[in-house]
Amino acid sequence: ETGVTQTPRHLVMGMTNKKSLKCEQHLGHNAMYWYKQSAKKPLELMFVYSLEERVENNSVPSRFSPECPNSSHLFLHLHTLQPEDSALYLCASSQTRGTWNTEAFFGQGTRLTVV
Amino acid sequence: KQEVTQIPAALSVPEGENLVLNCSFTDSAIYNLQWFRQDPGKGLTSLLLIQSSQREQTSGRLNASLDKSSGRSTLYIAASQPGDSATYLCAPQTGANNLFFGTGTRLTVIP
Repeated sequence: ETGVTQTPRHLVMGMTNKKSLKCEQHLGHNAMYWYKQSAKKPLELMFVYSLEERVENNSVPSRFSPECPNSSHLFLHLHTLQPEDSALYLCASSQTRGTWNTEAFFGQGTRLTVV
Repeated sequence: KQEVTQIPAALSVPEGENLVLNCSFTDSAIYNLQWFRQDPGKGLTSLLLIQSSQREQTSGRLNASLDKSSGRSTLYIAASQPGDSATYLCAPQTGANNLFFGTGTRLTVIP
């Protein structure tokens, strides 16, 4: 399997549930990202991991918790979400070289619905 | 903070027509700019990457240009096909790990 793979593709969860989104990249990249895409809004960067260290956290509520156990895997742990958190969550990867990155590749996304 | 604007927001053209999508950004201190397409409910597919030192990049029927000093990029699609129907997004990279996105241009190519 190549590229960036996200699972599950669809997820429906209650506000009291705990779930996790998974992302795996097979491109040998050293940086991974979580983005949120809500209807009629630009993609919003949530978290960035570079060389397995979190380098950016764009004021994301603590009910979203990222984890990067190695350079190929990225998780987003979800707990006590709100209905407004329903969105398409996209994972991406790229190769970081100092201050710039190579081409970024995205997964197919997880469509999350919070009920 | 980088602001990205894409005009038009939606575009409908007959098959075979050549078209231009526009992207403007407020912070010209970018490292590169990437164009993506997104099909409904799906992830982003990378189309072209232009480094800040480049003026143009081509891939098949697609040609992207970059005028970094004026904060503009265009995506030219030649001989459009119904399979080109999608939302097109431009994303300048500002800072070490950040792509900024606009809301895209939704393209419909009519057979």
